[in-house]
Amino acid sequence: GQNIDQPTEMTATEGAIVQINCTYQTSGFNGLFWYQQHAGEAPTFLSYNVLDGLEEKGRFSSFLSRSKGYSYLLLKELQMKDSASYLCAVSPLNDYKLSFGAGTTVTVRA
Amino acid sequence: SQTIHQWPATLVQPVGSPLSLECTVEGTSNPNLYWYRQAAGRGLQLLFYSVGIGQISSEVPQNLSASRPQDRQFILSSKKLLLSDSGFYLCASAGARLAGTSSYNEQFFGPGTRLTVL
Repeated sequence: GQNIDQPTEMTATEGAIVQINCTYQTSGFNGLFWYQQHAGEAPTFLSYNVLDGLEEKGRFSSFLSRSKGYSYLLLKELQMKDSASYLCAVSPLNDYKLSFGAGTTVTVRA
Repeated sequence: SQTIHQWPATLVQPVGSPLSLECTVEGTSNPNLYWYRQAAGRGLQLLFYSVGIGQISSEVPQNLSASRPQDRQFILSSKKLLLSDSGFYLCASAGARLAGTSSYNEQFFGPGTRLTVL
């Protein structure tokens, strides 16, 4: 089975940086995804990591350490529109399914 | 890129009534399809997935069922709804993406159906 943990809530100020951690224990590993979900809407894809290291996409970066079963999503220069839930999801090896964490609700305050 | 349609967008149903939610996919062929449920303030719970027409795998025991009558159509049904069936139902389709020399399946989500059972 899969076990994915991430914090429930985080609050940060507009313009600041927030780091959302995700730890996982899986039977086999074929990559880790981060999704953003605004309230009442469907999740949208942010990033995918399968190799160790940092992937940067504009204000968002995602890091993976396979040996530690650990990833983080870094949000820089926070904007009010970044207030959302951020979901960590793991793809097991040779499996069609994703296992999702419960999500981290980020609230950006002025 | 893929487009996923779900309807209805919102639904209010009495306990014991039947349910049929439909999902259709455009822009891809032979996708893996998924039904998720998300309770208020909770994560995504995988209900069913399908790797082809007529092939359905159930993840959790419940009073729901799924069918895939066509390649890009996925239907979620119930004969008698329970109060606990209330939630946000999301259909997803997996599409292959390239990442360097490897590939991965990114899941694209439909807009969802918000179901309230009273």
